[in-house]
Amino acid sequence: TQLLEQSPQFLSIQEGENLTVYCNSSSVFSSLQWYRQEPGEGPVLLVTVVTGGEVKKLKRLTFQFGDARKDSSLHITAAQPGDTGLYLCAGQKNTGNQFYFGTGTSLTVIP
Amino acid sequence: DADVTQTPRNRITKTGKRIMLECSQTKGHDRMYWYRQDPGLGLRLIYYSFDVKDINKGEISDGYSVSRQAQAKFSLSLESAIPNQTALYFCATSTHRGHTDTQYFGPGTRLTVL
Repeated sequence: TQLLEQSPQFLSIQEGENLTVYCNSSSVFSSLQWYRQEPGEGPVLLVTVVTGGEVKKLKRLTFQFGDARKDSSLHITAAQPGDTGLYLCAGQKNTGNQFYFGTGTSLTVIP
Repeated sequence: DADVTQTPRNRITKTGKRIMLECSQTKGHDRMYWYRQDPGLGLRLIYYSFDVKDINKGEISDGYSVSRQAQAKFSLSLESAIPNQTALYFCATSTHRGHTDTQYFGPGTRLTVL
């Protein structure tokens, strides 16, 4: 079983709609990251959260780290076709150690 | 020029063949990683290296080996390829600053084992 589970696995929405992607674990992480991957390319870092309860915003994307540092969410407001891609969360249990990646959420935004 | 490069980008091989995937980076990072990606499973860590003399197994190292030839080069070998090693393979580098690392990924190698 994966250490980090993401839901939903697939999401197809109309342009302009809002959505939330979840990343859950029973383990505590010292930091959690969100990446976006486009077809034919490697993942690219969007954000890192390190403090329980932390909220970070990146334009229309809002990232939250759970109070207990076991889960995270990504909320997209007014989705655009350019948001289409695979979204991956990744956690580090201790600073400087290996990363554990989530199962991924494939998002399609229909114009 | 890309900071993290992988060769080859695509490879088709047969069961039992030895395969080497290569990764080079110009970012000057000490840390390098090999992952495989399968649909519905995200990325799973195969091996990682925190410097030239350091090699560590990840969660799925069986059937794979690695070599860190220099700070900038980290290669992944499949000694005897099998069909369930068909996957997309990514190399990544990272640097440690403050509380976190940021990983930078190569473009990936699509490997098919027949």
